[in-house]
Amino acid sequence: EAQVTQNPRYLITVTGKKLTVTCSQNMNHEYMSWYRQDPGLGLRQIYYSMNVEVTDKGDVPEGYKVSRKEKRNFPLILESPSPNQTSLYFCASSRLAGGHEQFFGPGTRLTVL
Amino acid sequence: QKEVEQDPGPLSVPEGAIVSLNCTYSNSAFQYFMWYRQYSRKGPELLMYTYSSGNKEDGRFTAQVDKSSKYISLFIRDSQPSDSATYLCAMIQAGKSTFGDGTTLTVKP
Repeated sequence: EAQVTQNPRYLITVTGKKLTVTCSQNMNHEYMSWYRQDPGLGLRQIYYSMNVEVTDKGDVPEGYKVSRKEKRNFPLILESPSPNQTSLYFCASSRLAGGHEQFFGPGTRLTVL
Repeated sequence: QKEVEQDPGPLSVPEGAIVSLNCTYSNSAFQYFMWYRQYSRKGPELLMYTYSSGNKEDGRFTAQVDKSSKYISLFIRDSQPSDSATYLCAMIQAGKSTFGDGTTLTVKP
């Protein structure tokens, strides 16, 4: 089944404890992206990648890191999480390098205490 | 001011109604215009995308883009209770995506 998977789906952690949210797609898509969704603020792009080894900042990259070492994976790293990073996170991928046909994962709900 | 402004809603309509969802934008460099549907506790699902001014139809859905006015719309004909969801407009420029805040639609039987 063609899909974008995210792990974990739910995570509660404490301030300052490094964490990684994994994202994997099995569709051989060129483009991948991370978003956060907050009430009243909508869906905001964190980082995106149009190809392996190429990543670019979205609108809210502060406090996040990403890497794209292989086509299928695009992990999101929070080196020192803070409570303002409590959010619902979505990973997405697109077969088109421009990213205009994005297929979203199920989301990861992160709580930072 | 946000680059993409979406009519906030919420919107409540009777089954069978025609629904109009609207967004305006300020960045002339946007290349693609998309509409997503998001059900509660799920990831957004792409409905349609277009890149030029004009209309694009897919079943009961029609996406309209007016680049001169920087305005996009999604029309839903013969709305069904299963269309009840939050609808997000999105625009993309060289991979960088900007979403509207969403309009929540309820279609009552």
